[in-house]
Amino acid sequence: DAEITQSPRHKITETGRQVTLACHQTWNHNNMFWYRQDLGHGLRLIHYSYGVHDTNKGEVSDGYSVSRSNTEDLPLTLESAASSQTSVYFCASSGQTNTEAFFGQGTRLTVV
Amino acid sequence: QKEVEQNSGPLSVPEGAIASLNCTYSDRVSQSFFWYRQYSGKSPELIMSIYSNGDKEDGRFTAQLNKASQYVSLLIRDSQPSDSATYLCASVSGGYNKLIFGAGTRLAVHP
Repeated sequence: DAEITQSPRHKITETGRQVTLACHQTWNHNNMFWYRQDLGHGLRLIHYSYGVHDTNKGEVSDGYSVSRSNTEDLPLTLESAASSQTSVYFCASSGQTNTEAFFGQGTRLTVV
Repeated sequence: QKEVEQNSGPLSVPEGAIASLNCTYSDRVSQSFFWYRQYSGKSPELIMSIYSNGDKEDGRFTAQLNKASQYVSLLIRDSQPSDSATYLCASVSGGYNKLIFGAGTRLAVHP
């Protein structure tokens, strides 16, 4: 079955370190999204991509970067982790414009 | 102003009652709207999508869309304790295919 998977599921890192969260989908979806979820804020969009080599900033993109070298993967990199980036991160994908997105299981990141 | 707004709740309803969840959006050209359910510690799962004005029913769930008022709602009939979760409203930002979420409404269904 097609799916979307995130790794790792849990990560503890130190302030200042570079961290990369992986997202892999097997639906062949063009659109991929990264969100962070914090209490009281719901899901906030970090970056999104419409296809290979396309990336766009969302509402909370500072301190994060993504690259899309193939259809299946959209890794999220925290260049220099900060305690404010402690959160749960969700990756999602959708097949066409204006259609629903499907989510990965999430990655809980703690920056100490 | 946030693009998608929801009352954070909690909304508490007795078992068997109708739960009514509401959402407003600011982007007038948004075309697609979604309701996701999220259990604590889990990822969001899609329960309803709606694209046209009016009502859309699926089992115990009814989504309602009013584009003139920029308003989306979700009704859950015969609420069950298993419906207790956070419900997230989302819209696709017109022209950009950005899926934007509200902060979510926590629903508690008590026996």
